Amino acid sequence: LAKTTQPISMDSYEGQEVNITCSHNNIATNDYITWYQQFPSQGPRFIIQGYKTKVTNEVASLFIPADRKSSTLSLPRVSLSDTAVYYCLVGDPRGNTPLVFGKGTRLSVIA
Amino acid sequence: DSGVTQTPKHLITATGQRVTLRCSPRSGDLSVYWYQQSLDQGLQFLIQYYNGEERAKGNILERFSAQQFPDLHSELNLSSLELGDSALYFCASGRTAGLNNEQFFGPGTRLTVL
Repeated sequence: LAKTTQPISMDSYEGQEVNITCSHNNIATNDYITWYQQFPSQGPRFIIQGYKTKVTNEVASLFIPADRKSSTLSLPRVSLSDTAVYYCLVGDPRGNTPLVFGKGTRLSVIA
Repeated sequence: DSGVTQTPKHLITATGQRVTLRCSPRSGDLSVYWYQQSLDQGLQFLIQYYNGEERAKGNILERFSAQQFPDLHSELNLSSLELGDSALYFCASGRTAGLNNEQFFGPGTRLTVL
C-alpha cells in the first residue's frame, strides 16, 4: 500500500498559483495518483487523476516526474473559495486496496 | 452537487442506541462506499458494495453493518452506539467495482452520540 506524504498546511494570497507536492516513494507500477478536495463538513470532491507526465483539466494540473515518486498539484490563480483540505492518494483504479486519505494539506487562501 | 444523497443530515442519539444511515448513489453508479470521518482519525474507509454484493471491507466495527438494495441504495446500520462513534459518515458512489476509481461523495450524515 503506497503511502503518501504531503505538507500539513499552506498559505497563499488570492490570485497566486499554488503548488502542493506529494511524495509517494513506493508507488506501484499500476498505481495512479489522485487528488481530492474537501471543504469543511462536506464530502471530498475528485479534482484530478494521472499516471505520468502532465494532466490538466479545467480546475487544476497534475505534474508527475518520470520516476513517479512524487507529484505536484497545481492550482492556478487561487481564490478564497479554494480554501480547503487537499488529499493526495495513490492506488490502482482496478485494484482491491481502498483509498487511504491521510491528513491532507490544509490550504488557506488569504485576500 | 455530486448527485449522491444521504439522509439524515444530522442525527443525535444516546449511547447504546441503534441508527440507520441511508445513501442513494448517482444514477448509473453500481458501487457504494461508506467512510467515517472523525477529528482524530481522518477519513476512514468502512465498506464497499458493488451491485448488491459486499466487495471490500475496511476498518468497520462488528457493531456496524451495511447492505445495498436492488435499487442500489445503501444503508449503514450502527448499533450499540458509543461516544466514540460520533463522526461524519460519508457515502460515495462510483461506476465500477474498483476501490481507487473516481468516487463521488455525498454531503454526509453528522452523528452525535450523547
